[in-house]
Amino acid sequence: GESVGLHLPTLSVQEGDNSIINCAYSNSASDYFIWYKQESGKGPQFIIDIRSNMDKRQGQRVTVLLNKTVKHLSLQIAATQPGDSAVYFCAENGFQKLVFGTGTRLLVSP
Amino acid sequence: EAQVTQNPRYLITVTGKKLTVTCSQNMNHEYMSWYRQDPGLGLRQIYYSMNVEVTDKGDVPEGYKVSRKEKRNFPLILESPSPNQTSLYFCASSPSPGLAGVEQFFGPGTRLTVL
Repeated sequence: GESVGLHLPTLSVQEGDNSIINCAYSNSASDYFIWYKQESGKGPQFIIDIRSNMDKRQGQRVTVLLNKTVKHLSLQIAATQPGDSAVYFCAENGFQKLVFGTGTRLLVSP
Repeated sequence: EAQVTQNPRYLITVTGKKLTVTCSQNMNHEYMSWYRQDPGLGLRQIYYSMNVEVTDKGDVPEGYKVSRKEKRNFPLILESPSPNQTSLYFCASSPSPGLAGVEQFFGPGTRLTVL
């Protein structure tokens, strides 16, 4: 069946470093992916998305890369800040629902 | 302010005591959905609604009911809660699902404990 998962449950970085969060998906027919950020005590918040006809998309301090050959998605955060500490989810926007990965916790230390 | 609200935010109850978690959105969205979030399992969809009076099961619907009598409200009903329904619940809405570029907005969550 389809699944969206993450390689690492926790990622610890120093403030100012670049962070890379990875995600694997199994449904090769997926055509749209989203990254969400969830801060403690809050609901998931949209960060950035990418369509399957793209390899890369950039936002403010964030970049999403899509490798359809190996069904891999990554979120890059430049100059990571303490406010970036959160759990990050990739999600596949399937028919009538989102399919979420299990999440990666990003810890940013000063 | 555009938002999705849920009530209550925290609830402790006992097995078998019926409860309802309310969800409301003020964005005139057609699509609404309920998810539960459990450690190691991520977010799993319980039920969703494409529009008023249209609801469908998600991945984990057992033990839950929903209704969509009005566009803005989508309550989640647990007729006879059990301890395995202890979880963090999120309501979400969007203009339409399954379309690239359509953001889904999430509520703040309801932490439910069933003793």
